Formats: sequence, C-alpha cells, structure tokens
Amino acid sequence: SSELTQDPAVSVALGQTVRITCQGDSLRSYYASWYQQKPGQAPVLVIYGKNNRPSGIPDRFSGSSSGNTASLTITGAQAEDEADYYCNSRDSSGTVVFGGGTKLTVL
Amino acid sequence: QLQLQESGPGLVKPSETLSLTCTVSGGSISSSSYYWGWIRQPPGKGLEWIGSIYYSGSTYYNPSLKSRVTISVDTSKNQFSLKLSSVTAADTAVYYCARLLERLGAFDIWGQGTMVTVSS
Repeated sequence: SSELTQDPAVSVALGQTVRITCQGDSLRSYYASWYQQKPGQAPVLVIYGKNNRPSGIPDRFSGSSSGNTASLTITGAQAEDEADYYCNSRDSSGTVVFGGGTKLTVL
Repeated sequence: QLQLQESGPGLVKPSETLSLTCTVSGGSISSSSYYWGWIRQPPGKGLEWIGSIYYSGSTYYNPSLKSRVTISVDTSKNQFSLKLSSVTAADTAVYYCARLLERLGAFDIWGQGTMVTVSS
C-alpha cells in the first residue's frame, strides 16, 4: 500500500518562512492535502488540491508539489501556527493514506 | 453549517466489537460530491485512515484493517457507522468521522472525535 513520509519535527523563527514536506509515490498522480492539529483538537484542513485554502485559512499557508514530493509553506509563521501538520492523499485504488506528521515549533 | 458528531461507548472489552455512529447535521449525507470517512489517532501518535463510504453504500477500507472493519450508511437517519471487530489494546484511540472530497482525498469537515479505550 502507499506510504507518505514526513520529517518528524521542524522549527521556524517567528515571522520567518517554513516549508514542511511530504514524500510518496502516490503524489506523482494525486494531490496532497494538509491538516493542522493542535493539542486536544480535531485536525483542520488547511490546503487541498493544487493549492486551495478552505474558507478561514490565512493566505500565509500555501501548497505546492513536484514529482513525488508535496510541500506546505507557511510564509511569516505566527505563534498560533505551532501545531502538528499531517499530509494525506489517495491512491489509484481509492484508499487514503496519511503521513506520520510533522511537529512545527515556532521559536 | 455542516456538522459531524461521533457517538458510541467509550470503553470496549478486548475481543469484542467497537461500534460508533457519526450523525451528520446541517446537510445531507446523500450529497453526490462526497464520501464519508472514519479516521483514528492512538494517544500520542499520528492519524490512520480506517475507511470511507458513499451514500449508495460503496466502501473503501484500509487494507491493514479490512478483515475487521465494516462501515455502513443509513441515509434515512443521516448517519454512517463503524464496526471494528476483535479489538485489542492497540485499537485504543480517538476516533474521528469526517467528510471526504473523494476525488482529492481531502477530509474537509471533521467531527470533534471520541475516545475509545479497549480494556477489561
């Protein structure tokens, strides 16, 4: 089955730009979606499709993809962006897979 | 706006069947654009997709759980349900239901989650 690989932890200085990556074969054919999860809360979709933000998601969040790697970029990271971030995608059989998650620390 | 709410027992004994229901409010489960899914998260760990269902009853399951999972839908009640058989302590997790944009694999609306503990 498909797998998605994320770095376990990333840090960024307040106001700087950070990129969180997700690698997997399914990403060559399907877009990644990205979720933000804060402690004790349900995940929130922040990016889906080519580079779409649901209503209410700040425009400092953006997505991109190249080959087997998808990226979530936060431009001008804020303290409230400190959270766990998960990618996911589907594959050709219709199954869904999540990455292992990246813990983002804002310094 | 659309809301999802999980319900079911918070404690299940080993070897028994875990049963949860997700109630959809503020919209129809019979929307042609969406599937409906279950995702779980063991304490301190990442997200794991369990399976998804269309209002017609068409399903997709995680291959690693397929032998133990059944997802069903009741359009008259605007609900879908999860059954996970032969549970062990490894099935202890927060269980979420969510709406799935199937073509994109994106879960755009989530329930708040419900903690299920497997213990005797």
